[in-house]
Amino acid sequence: KAGVTQTPRYLIKTRGQQVTLSCSPISGHRSVSWYQQTPGQGLQFLFEYFSETQRNKGNFPGRFSGRQFSNSRSEMNVSTLELGDSALYLCASSVTMPPTDTQYFGPGTRLTVL
Amino acid sequence: AQSVTQPDIHITVSEGASLELRCNYSYGATPYLFWYVQSPGQGLQLLLKYFSGDTLVQGIKGFEAEFKRSQSSFNLRKPSVHWSDAAEYFCAVGSSNTGKLIFGQGTTLQVKP
Repeated sequence: KAGVTQTPRYLIKTRGQQVTLSCSPISGHRSVSWYQQTPGQGLQFLFEYFSETQRNKGNFPGRFSGRQFSNSRSEMNVSTLELGDSALYLCASSVTMPPTDTQYFGPGTRLTVL
Repeated sequence: AQSVTQPDIHITVSEGASLELRCNYSYGATPYLFWYVQSPGQGLQLLLKYFSGDTLVQGIKGFEAEFKRSQSSFNLRKPSVHWSDAAEYFCAVGSSNTGKLIFGQGTTLQVKP
């Protein structure tokens, strides 16, 4: 069974631009969570989707948004990029709700904002 | 507030030596505890998890962890470290209310030949 895939793997943008990252969960998984990883703040929860509904959201500004499609694929969008948005963005999927259901992480998208 | 502390930012051990990575958590209810490993440029791989039951849990790659409620700890151990174990290790507690994982800051493991 294929793992969680994230595209693109690397992305370079400039301040003020917007970006869309994509995550394809493991087949049969309906929950997708997003995390931001930076050297200073570590791993922080962005949001979690289940069956196209956002169930939980972390403490991030409204510039960060996401959605989930009927096939469970998810996208996250960051508008008006800032230098501090440079990070590794990780997607994780599980069959149902984490943490009782184990989450499996993708390789991440490395976003660099210049 | 829920939190996870990994007191050791960086640990160096010799190949073949034993390893213990420390993790302390703060969580009001019965915690869901995890250890993940991350190699450079990679995502997170689950090593093991604890939800309930036997407090000593076995994971992949020869790792084990012990849950000690009285000490609010979930330390990761391996009896004999291999060079391929060099990576960053994250302890996490899962919230049953929000579904999110709260991670520690990570411990970087270096293995000396």
